[in-house]
Amino acid sequence: QVQLQQWGAGLLKPSETVSLTCAVSGESLRGHYWSWLRQSPAKGLEWIGDINHDGRTNYNPSLKSRVTLSVDTSKNEFSLTLNSATAADTAVYFCARRKWFGVDDFFDPWGQGTLVTVSS
Amino acid sequence: DIQMTQSPSSLSASVGDRVTITCRASQIISTFLNWYHQRPGRAPKLLISAASTLRDRVPSRFSGSGGGTDFTLTISSLQPEDFGTYYCQQSYDTFHTFGQGTKVEI
Repeated sequence: QVQLQQWGAGLLKPSETVSLTCAVSGESLRGHYWSWLRQSPAKGLEWIGDINHDGRTNYNPSLKSRVTLSVDTSKNEFSLTLNSATAADTAVYFCARRKWFGVDDFFDPWGQGTLVTVSS
Repeated sequence: DIQMTQSPSSLSASVGDRVTITCRASQIISTFLNWYHQRPGRAPKLLISAASTLRDRVPSRFSGSGGGTDFTLTISSLQPEDFGTYYCQQSYDTFHTFGQGTKVEI
């Protein structure tokens, strides 16, 4: 059974960098894309981007200039950095496996979520 | 961006009721539509993919239908554990987008 466990700093000051990591157990990173999403009262659920084991990425155009996704296949982990954070980046951040095959293209399973608060 | 609009935004129903939630896409998305259920403080859980495919271990009281721009999630007989918020999500575009959610209260 695939499980995702995520962690990272939860309280940041404006202009600092959001940095989160997600460890995958029960499956190799190969064969899927691995995604980051976030959820806030203002914007609801928002897809940030995804990455495969080769480092091929897709990004939300509205965040692309500030986001970097990376993978560490030796640790079976993938990571998110979002720089120049503002209060608008305050959200619960989730990692998820993106299953993308034929007509199927969905997020399952998800990590437990990390609340990131950006405040001075 | 493909905009996803759900209705209603919230509803209150009794155990045993039939519940229907609709989702409309701002453009044709074929059947590239998924449904998720989220309880407070938890991550969303996938219920239905490709508009109508019930995922493993999801109770058969859940069903999905539709195509093009209009989709429906139906709960045939609402159970206490079904409270929470339901979201639709389009995967037609690589830039995935979600509906705003429908909060179901028992």
